[in-house]
Amino acid sequence: AQKITQTQPGMFVQEKEAVTLDCTYDTSDPSYGLFWYKQPSSGEMIFLIYQGSYDQQNATEGRYSLNFQKARKSANLVISASQLGDSAMYFCAMKSGGTSYGKLTFGQGTILTVHP
Amino acid sequence: GAGVSQSPSNKVTEKGKDVELRCDPISGHTALYWYRQSLGQGLEFLIYFQGNSAPDKSGLPSDRFSAERTGGSVSTLTIQRTQQEDSAVYLCASSLTSGALNEQFFGPGTRLTVL
Repeated sequence: AQKITQTQPGMFVQEKEAVTLDCTYDTSDPSYGLFWYKQPSSGEMIFLIYQGSYDQQNATEGRYSLNFQKARKSANLVISASQLGDSAMYFCAMKSGGTSYGKLTFGQGTILTVHP
Repeated sequence: GAGVSQSPSNKVTEKGKDVELRCDPISGHTALYWYRQSLGQGLEFLIYFQGNSAPDKSGLPSDRFSAERTGGSVSTLTIQRTQQEDSAVYLCASSLTSGALNEQFFGPGTRLTVL
């Protein structure tokens, strides 16, 4: 069975500082993908970044980077230079299996609040 | 359309009534997913469709829930004899099925309230 754990219900960060949101996962499948989504108060789910289990390098997308530690089964999201608009709920998710489609298993989410 | 659309955006119903929720995926996306987001349970997978394959129904919580996808495009999630615990936001997503990434693009959701 797949499981995603986000242990931080809430995080606070000062504007322009960096913040790390934790995510650990569990799967017996050697092929999997890890995703981070942002959900602002408006409710839409916004895709941020993806890491494949066979990717050699950590994924980066602008101010977002994924600190992928395969042996520890962790996929932490790092947001650099936080902005007020980064305040939202953040979900870590995983898709297992070798196919390019399939259900996502989500963590419980972390609410990030950016202070001015 | 440019993104995944869902209707209605809000639905209030009485316990015991049936409801239908609609999802219009992004044009050309062959995979379509339904998830449910509720306060106590977080985001739960319900069902997904991929092309002409049999849908993966493993997340449906009971036989009161069903979904269909007509013509490989629009999908309808039906909840029969609604219960108060069905109150949640129902999210639809779609994705391409070629390539390694295939992130799922989500619609705005339907907020269902069962009185």
